[in-house]
Order: sequence, then C-alpha cells, then structure tokens
Amino acid sequence: AQTVTQSQPEMSVQEAETVTLSCTYDTSESDYYLFWYKQPPSRQMILVIRQEAYKQQNATENRFSVNFQKAAKSFSLKISDSQLGDAAMYFCAYRINTGTASKLTFGTGTRLQVTL
Amino acid sequence: NAGVMQNPRHLVRRRGQEARLRCSPMKGHSHVYWYRQLPEEGLKFMVYLQKENIIDESGMPKERFSAEFPKEGPSILRIQQVVRGDSAAYFCASSPPGFGYEQFFGPGTRLTVL
Repeated sequence: AQTVTQSQPEMSVQEAETVTLSCTYDTSESDYYLFWYKQPPSRQMILVIRQEAYKQQNATENRFSVNFQKAAKSFSLKISDSQLGDAAMYFCAYRINTGTASKLTFGTGTRLQVTL
Repeated sequence: NAGVMQNPRHLVRRRGQEARLRCSPMKGHSHVYWYRQLPEEGLKFMVYLQKENIIDESGMPKERFSAEFPKEGPSILRIQQVVRGDSAAYFCASSPPGFGYEQFFGPGTRLTVL
C-alpha cells in the first residue's frame, strides 16, 4: 500500500522568507503523480503544484517549487518570498497513474504559520 | 464554469439519524471521489465513482455507508444510523474522463453528530 509521510506537524516562517515543507512517500510503482494541496481556514482544498514521476525536472509555479528526489522517494515544497496568505495547512498527496486506481493518498499535513 | 458544488455545507444530525451529502461535479466531469477528513487529520479516500458505477470503494466503511452517482443528478454519500465518530468534513472531488487529470475539490460538508 502507498503511504505518504509529512514529519513536520507545524512550521513557521517570517514574511518574505523561504520555507521548505518535507514529504516522503512509499510506493512500488514507477508511474505516479505527486501533489501539494493547500487548505486555508476556509477548508477549501487548493492545488498548489503537481509533479509527474517520469519528469526529471522539478515543477515550479511562481513562488512555489518542489525538490523531487525519485530514488529517495522525497517530494519537498519550497515557498519563496512567503506571504501572510500562505498561512494554511499543506498536504502532500500521491496518485498512481495506471488503470482505474485514481484515488489520492494524503499525508497528515503541515500547518504553516507566517509571521510579520 | 462553476466549480464542484456540495450541499449542505453544514449538517447536524442526532445519533441514529441518516445523513445525505450531495455533490455536483464540474461540468464535463464524469469521475467523482469522496474523501473524509477527521479533525486534525489529512483526507482519507472513501470511494471513487463514475456515472452509475462504483469503481473503487476500498475506503468505505463496510456498514452504514453507501454512495451512488446516478445517470442524472448529483452524487450522493449516504450515512445511515450516524454515530458521533462520523463527525467530520466530507469532501467531494471530480475529474474529467480519462487519466492523468487532477481532481478538483468542492468546499466540503461538515457533518456534526450530536
């Protein structure tokens, strides 16, 4: 079974600084997707960034980038120039890319605080 | 294009009652997924449906829970004889036909069992 582990229950970053959230996963599959979702206090799940396992290049979306280490099964999220609006729960998620098994497997989340 | 709609947003039930949660996927999406989020936890997969078919229900509790996605109308997650442990946020997500697409989430239904 696939598992996703986020070992940092809480993180804090000062406004304008950079923070990295960690995620590791366990799978025997070679073709899959990895995601970071943001959940603000409204509880709406917002997709931040996604990475296809077959792509060696790390995904980037504006201030958000990932460090994808396939051999180490590591998928960290880097937030640059942190803003107050980045404060939220962040969930790492995995999805296999074969057949009809399309469910997302989530980690337990990291609560990010942004301070002035 | 309206997003994924869920209703009600908040639902209060007493122990033993039935809860019905509705999800209308985005236009053109034929895949629906239900997830449950217990307090202070991540989302846990429950069931994956396509129109009139349950594709994967490996995360559904064996009793009291059922889901459907009829040819017409929203997907329904039904919980019979609710217990306090069912109190959680229930999220629906949808995706287009085919594979490799991300899932778009609704705002969730927060169920409280008294």
